[in-house]
Amino acid sequence: GQQVMQIPQYQHVQEGEDFTTYCNSSTTLSNIQWYKQRPGGHPVFLIQLVKSGEVKKQKRLTFQFGEAKKNSSLHITATQTTDVGTYFCAGKARLTGGGNKLTFGTGTQLKVEL
Amino acid sequence: DAGVIQSPRHEVTEMGQEVTLRCKPISGHNSLFWYRQTMMRGLELLIYFNNNVPIDDSGMPEDRFSAKMPNASFSTLKIQPSEPRDSAVYFCASSPTGGISGANVLTFGAGSRLTVL
Repeated sequence: GQQVMQIPQYQHVQEGEDFTTYCNSSTTLSNIQWYKQRPGGHPVFLIQLVKSGEVKKQKRLTFQFGEAKKNSSLHITATQTTDVGTYFCAGKARLTGGGNKLTFGTGTQLKVEL
Repeated sequence: DAGVIQSPRHEVTEMGQEVTLRCKPISGHNSLFWYRQTMMRGLELLIYFNNNVPIDDSGMPEDRFSAKMPNASFSTLKIQPSEPRDSAVYFCASSPTGGISGANVLTFGAGSRLTVL
């Protein structure tokens, strides 16, 4: 079945440093979504990318979808303590046709120290 | 909008007992999903429904797990009998029905934390 891996699994940074998490799918995706889960909370949607090579920005966050639509990345510039949490990518395999099945990545847990 | 509502938020039970988790999706959302989250296995899709019909239950671990959606505003996930390895956070999520190429955004509930002793 479809597998979605993320690296790194954990990342500790000093406040102000940059952070990047990478997402790789075993199959070609029709789109990719990113979610953030705060400690003790539930995943919350951040953004969706659909087009090959697409890049989207949300303030300090930059999201990219690979040309082959099998990988994606999330980059945070100048991290803040409010960025703490686990970041998940979630993809829908291109060949599944209709339906709404998303496979979540393994997640990257970010800790930000003052 | 109250969002996706799950109950109970926390449940502690003994091995062998029946557990029922409940979910009320966002009104108007046609798709409902049950996920399980553990440290070891991450977020796993157990089952999802479109228009109250189960579409994919390949993630349901074994026959001890069952899910129903009797109407558009209510779903249950039942574990009978429960085992310690079922301890996890169970999330319900809903979304508008996805199209052929796209997938709509999931809105998650707060989760039900299950501990089986």
